[in-house]
Amino acid sequence: ETGVTQSPTHLIKTRGQQVTLRCSSQSGHNTVSWYQQALGQGPQFIFQYYREEENGRGNFPPRFSGLQFPNYSSELNVNALELDDSALYLCASSAGQGVGNSPLHFGNGTRLTVT
Amino acid sequence: QQQVKQSPQSLIVQKGGISIINCAYENTAFDYFPWYQQFPGKGPALLIAIRPDVSEKKEGRFTISFNKSAKQFSLHIMDSQPGDSATYFCAASTPNSGYALNFGKGTSLLVTP
Repeated sequence: ETGVTQSPTHLIKTRGQQVTLRCSSQSGHNTVSWYQQALGQGPQFIFQYYREEENGRGNFPPRFSGLQFPNYSSELNVNALELDDSALYLCASSAGQGVGNSPLHFGNGTRLTVT
Repeated sequence: QQQVKQSPQSLIVQKGGISIINCAYENTAFDYFPWYQQFPGKGPALLIAIRPDVSEKKEGRFTISFNKSAKQFSLHIMDSQPGDSATYFCAASTPNSGYALNFGKGTSLLVTP
C-alpha cells in the first residue's frame, strides 16, 4: 500500500511569486485535504476535495486554490506569495467524505520558504 | 481563534513514567477526537482516536480519557520510552465541516533515558 506522497520536499520562492505543490493520495482514498503548519504550531485546515469538488474550506484567502484530479491526486496553488506563507504544507487523504469512518493519512509535507 | 486548547506546551518525562497531555474544546458539535504524533521532518501520524460516546479508549500503551461534560480529553502514554519523544497534537472535528481537523498547538515530549 503506497502512502501519501508530496512533491517537492523543499521549495524556496520570492515574495509575489506563485507556487504549485503536488500530492498523490494513498491508494483507495478519494478525499484529499491540505493543511498549513507554521513553525511550532499545529496544522491549519486550508481546504478539502472530494471527487474533484471542493467541499470544505478553512480561513484562507482566495489566492490559495486547489485541484483534485480523476486519479485523486491533488495540487495546491498559492498566488502572490507573502512572507507569512512560509510553512510546511501537508497533504492528507482518506477514504470517503471526511474522517468519520476513515482517518486522515498525512504525507511528509512540502517545506515552503518565501524570501 | 484556537478551537482546541492543548497543554502543556512541552513535557519532560523519565523512561518508564507516564506522560499526560490535556486538551479542551468549546464546540459541542465536535464528535471525533484524534491524537496525532509527529516526528521532525515527518507528517503527523494518527495514534488513537475517540468519539464522545465512550469515556476511555486504550490501544497498547496509549489511552485517551474523555470527559464530555467538562469538554476535555487527554492522552496518557504509559511506560514512556525515549522513542516516544515527538510532538503530539490533539484535534477535533465535526461532520458539519466535512470532518476538517481543528488541531491544538502541540506538545513537545522528551522522554529521558
